[in-house]
Amino acid sequence: RKEVEQDPGPFNVPEGATVAFNCTYSNSASQSFFWYRQDCRKEPKLLMSVYSSGNEDGRFTAQLNRASQYISLLIRDSKLSDSATYLCVVITGTASKLTFGTGTRLQVTL
Amino acid sequence: ETGVTQTPRHLVMGMTNKKSLKCEQHLGHNAMYWYKQSAKKPLELMFVYSLEERVENNSVPSRFSPECPNSSHLFLHLHTLQPEDSALYLCASSQDLGVFTDTQYFGPGTRLTVL
Repeated sequence: RKEVEQDPGPFNVPEGATVAFNCTYSNSASQSFFWYRQDCRKEPKLLMSVYSSGNEDGRFTAQLNRASQYISLLIRDSKLSDSATYLCVVITGTASKLTFGTGTRLQVTL
Repeated sequence: ETGVTQTPRHLVMGMTNKKSLKCEQHLGHNAMYWYKQSAKKPLELMFVYSLEERVENNSVPSRFSPECPNSSHLFLHLHTLQPEDSALYLCASSQDLGVFTDTQYFGPGTRLTVL
C-alpha cells in the first residue's frame, strides 16, 4: 500500500461547483498534514494545513479524519483559477519524513 | 515569489557530463531540501540539510552529490547521469527541521533532460 494515495483525476467541474478530494495515508503515526497546490510547470505552494478540528480559509475547507486515516479538501464556488494539481502531504516523525501524494488534477471549466 | 531561487531553470546534459544545480534561499531558513519530481510520480525527497549538515539521504544514487556550504545555499552536483534521471529537481527550505508543522517553500525547479 502506498504511504499517501490520491485519486489522480482529472476532476472536471464547471465554475461555481463544489468539489472535494480525499487523500489516504497508511501510517497511523503521521502527525502533520498539508494540502499544496501545483500549477502546471510551476513549483508546489502551500495551500493550507490540516487539523483534526478542521481548517477553513475562504472557499477552501480541509479536514482530517484520524480514525479512517484520510484528509479531505473541499472547494466551494470553484473558479477557473482553481485549476491546478492538489498535492496531499503527510509528515511522519521529523519534518524530514515528508511524503507527497501524486496529486489530484482539477480542471474548472466555463 | 517564494524567496527560493534555482539556477539553471532548464538543463540538457549528456550522460558523461558533469553539471551542478544551485539553490539559494533568502528567507533566513535553517533547513533545505532537494526533491525529484518525475512525470506521474509523487515528489521524492532526495536530501535534507539542517544547519549545513546532511540529515537525510533517501537512498539516492551516488551520481547525485549534494553540497551545502552555508544555510542559504544548496547545490546538487550531477555526474554520469542516466536518461531516467530526467525530471524536475525542486529545492525547498523551511525555518527548522524539528518543527514538523513548518511550511516548506519551494523554488521554481530545474527541468533536467539527460540525453
